[in-house]
Amino acid sequence: AQSVTQLDSQVPVFEEAPVELRCNYSSSVSVYLFWYVQYPNQGLQLLLKYLSGSTLVKSINGFEAEFNKSQTSFHLRKPSVHISDTAEYFCAVTLSYNTDKLIFGTGTRLQVFP
Amino acid sequence: KAGVTQTPRYLIKTRGQQVTLSCSPISGHRSVSWYQQTPGQGLQFLFEYFSETQRNKGNFPGRFSGRQFSNSRSEMNVSTLELGDSALYLCASSLGPGGTEAFFGQGTRLTVV
Repeated sequence: AQSVTQLDSQVPVFEEAPVELRCNYSSSVSVYLFWYVQYPNQGLQLLLKYLSGSTLVKSINGFEAEFNKSQTSFHLRKPSVHISDTAEYFCAVTLSYNTDKLIFGTGTRLQVFP
Repeated sequence: KAGVTQTPRYLIKTRGQQVTLSCSPISGHRSVSWYQQTPGQGLQFLFEYFSETQRNKGNFPGRFSGRQFSNSRSEMNVSTLELGDSALYLCASSLGPGGTEAFFGQGTRLTVV
């Protein structure tokens, strides 16, 4: 079975500081990896995904994540955060041969302070 | 292009009642999945439908059921509501088998009193 661990439930950071949200997964078979963001009273929005190819994937708003197979990790980073990045971030996996079901981590609440 | 539409946005029900939630996927998407989000359990997969067939089901009791119509719209039903069913119910749509991106609706907030 697959599982996802997000090690930090909350990450406080000052505006313009760098941030890393950690995600580790467990799976005996090939998986796809995702980061979703959830703003208050909203659904989930896909931030970025890793399917294959380059292990470094980037979003349009400055986030990036690197797939590390040996460490089974998919950490999310941003070099300089904004107040508007305050949200809940979820790491998720699906089986690469069966993408019907997303398995989510417990989420990390990113709080950006001025 | 319209996104995933879930109705209603908010619901208050009493224990023992039943409830039906609706989800309209993005036009052209044929797969719909449902998730339950609670503070204690996080995001949990309920079930997935493609072409009116349930293809995958999470670990939930039989009180939770769903269906998909020929226009890909989906409904989920919860019977004999319990307090613990209070949650945000999220629907996601994708193109179908092999689709690698799920688009989520804003959810239906169900409160059971």
